[in-house]
Amino acid sequence: GAVVSQHPSRVICKSGTSVKIECRSLDFQATTMFWYRQFPKQSLMLMATSNEGSKATYEQGVEKDKFLINHASLTLSTLTVTSAHPEDSSFYICSAGGTTNEKLFFGSGTQLSVL
Amino acid sequence: AQTVTQSQPEMSVQEAETVTLSCTYDTSESNYYLFWYKQPPSRQMILVIRQEAYKQQNATENRFSVNFQKAAKSFSLKISDSQLGDTAMYFCAFRNQGGKLIFGQGTELSVKP
Repeated sequence: GAVVSQHPSRVICKSGTSVKIECRSLDFQATTMFWYRQFPKQSLMLMATSNEGSKATYEQGVEKDKFLINHASLTLSTLTVTSAHPEDSSFYICSAGGTTNEKLFFGSGTQLSVL
Repeated sequence: AQTVTQSQPEMSVQEAETVTLSCTYDTSESNYYLFWYKQPPSRQMILVIRQEAYKQQNATENRFSVNFQKAAKSFSLKISDSQLGDTAMYFCAFRNQGGKLIFGQGTELSVKP
């Protein structure tokens, strides 16, 4: 099956710094990528949808200035958590797919811990 | 709003037995896709099974099968001959025509030896 690579798998940073998470589709072109956030023992919450070459669409309640998403190519999307605070600590997962009738493939996730 | 509801936060089953996980959803769309994903302790999301709404035949994948009732907007997952490796969090998900994947709250399944 298709492979989505997500890096880093774990990051610890100081409060106030910015962290970038990368999501790459290794063997297919992903016209759309999705970013999710997951708290322990909870479901995946969709944060935003990124389409190659255009601005990301954010879900209600997600701060676009805090969570910057860039989808500059058909194989790479990045999520930057700016001026991170302890409440941003969470598990972030990306997924990638093509058209709506195709499966979505998930990255392995990034555990962000903000001290 | 489109929603997915899993009413069983936790379930357990004996090894080799059968268990059914429930899922209901709400949408006004007629064409969509439904999925069951498994999330083991590694937290990697693994696709278990997929169902197209326009297909009446229930999807099956080896020991996994679904009972898709479109009119009732119900999409349950049956796991036959449960194995210890099936222990995981299971999420029901709905993919709308806009492409978004919306997840239910999850059911934590424990398979006991």
